Amino acid sequence: AQSVTQLGSHVSVSEGALVLLRCNYSSSVPPYLFWYVQYPNQGLQLLLKYTTGATLVKGINGFEAEFKKSETSFHLTKPSAHMSDAAEYFCAVSENSGGYQKVTFGTGTKLQVIP
Amino acid sequence: NAGVTQTPKFQVLKTGQSMTLQCAQDMNHNSMYWYRQDPGMGLRLIYYSASEGTTDKGEVPNGYNVSRLNKREFSLRLESAAPSQTSVYFCASSEAQQPQHFGDGTRLSIL
Repeated sequence: AQSVTQLGSHVSVSEGALVLLRCNYSSSVPPYLFWYVQYPNQGLQLLLKYTTGATLVKGINGFEAEFKKSETSFHLTKPSAHMSDAAEYFCAVSENSGGYQKVTFGTGTKLQVIP
Repeated sequence: NAGVTQTPKFQVLKTGQSMTLQCAQDMNHNSMYWYRQDPGMGLRLIYYSASEGTTDKGEVPNGYNVSRLNKREFSLRLESAAPSQTSVYFCASSEAQQPQHFGDGTRLSIL
């Protein structure tokens, strides 16, 4: 069974500081991995995805994540936080299961950006 | 470019009432999903439809039913609402091995 663990339900950073949101996963097959962002009163929007190939994945809004198989991790980073980055972030792992995409989401990390 | 559209956006029900949440997607995706989101629990899959004409239970199906009306539409029905079903409900759609696209959610309160 696949699972996702996000370390830290709340993370606070100063504007301009490095953003690091941690995600560890388990999967019985090579995983597809995603990061989604959720702004208040909105649905989830895809930030970036890892399927195969290059392990460093770049997404929207300056975010990137690195797939590390040996550490079963897929941490999300951004060099310099902006106020607009304040939101909740979800890591997810996906595998095909009987013709549909079985996605397991982490419990989310709320990012606060301090001016 | 609507993507995934959910109606209504907000709803308040009394215990025992029934209602149907509507979802439509315009991306010609085969698969559609219903999730509920509760604080500290992430998203949990209620039901999914891998393709038109099929539906299957997810992680938390009790108290819900679904209908895949056609390729575009996938509805979620609460037959007899309970306070434990107070939540934010999200519909999503995808193609195989592609990221899911989400609607903006329905905020449901059951008194």
